[in-house]
Amino acid sequence: KAGVTQTPRYLIKTRGQQVTLSCSPISGHRSVSWYQQTPGQGLQFLFEYFSETQRNKGNFPGRFSGRQFSNSRSEMNVSTLELGDSALYLCASSPSGGGSDTQYFGPGTRLTVL
Amino acid sequence: AQSVSQHNHHVILSEAASLELGCNYSYGGTVNLFWYVQYPGQHLQLLLKYFSGDPLVKGIKGFEAEFIKSKFSFNLRKPSVQWSDTAEYFCAVSPNFGNEKLTFGTGTRLTIIP
Repeated sequence: KAGVTQTPRYLIKTRGQQVTLSCSPISGHRSVSWYQQTPGQGLQFLFEYFSETQRNKGNFPGRFSGRQFSNSRSEMNVSTLELGDSALYLCASSPSGGGSDTQYFGPGTRLTVL
Repeated sequence: AQSVSQHNHHVILSEAASLELGCNYSYGGTVNLFWYVQYPGQHLQLLLKYFSGDPLVKGIKGFEAEFIKSKFSFNLRKPSVQWSDTAEYFCAVSPNFGNEKLTFGTGTRLTIIP
């Protein structure tokens, strides 16, 4: 099976712009989670989608949003970018998102905000 | 809410040395525990996980971890490290019931000197 794919791999944006990141989960996986990884904060949970519904949400401002499509592909949007949004954004998929499920991670999208 | 502490931020060892990375979690109920590894330039991948049964779990590449419930710990061990084990290691926890998010520790950078 193909792994989790994320596009684009690298992005450079300026403050105030918005950005959309895309994630394609492993075939058959219905849960998609998003994480922000920074050197200072480590891996922080953004949100999780299952069957096109946001099921869990982390402690991020409303500028961070996402959605999931009927084929389980997911997108994440960040509006009004700030310098502090520079990070590696990771997507992970799992069959059902249950607590014992293994999450499979994609390579990430490296976002740089100037 | 659950939390995870990894006590060692950066560990430097020589090849063939034994390894133990500490992980403690905080949560009032039963949990699933994970160790993920991120090799340089690669994406996060699962090393091993515990969700029930034998508290000593074995993972890939000779790694193992022991769940000690009374100490809320899930330390990672390897009897003899190799240069190729140089990577960042993340401990993570999720509640055993429901669809709660995966919470990560801040990671331990492991450097193996040939």
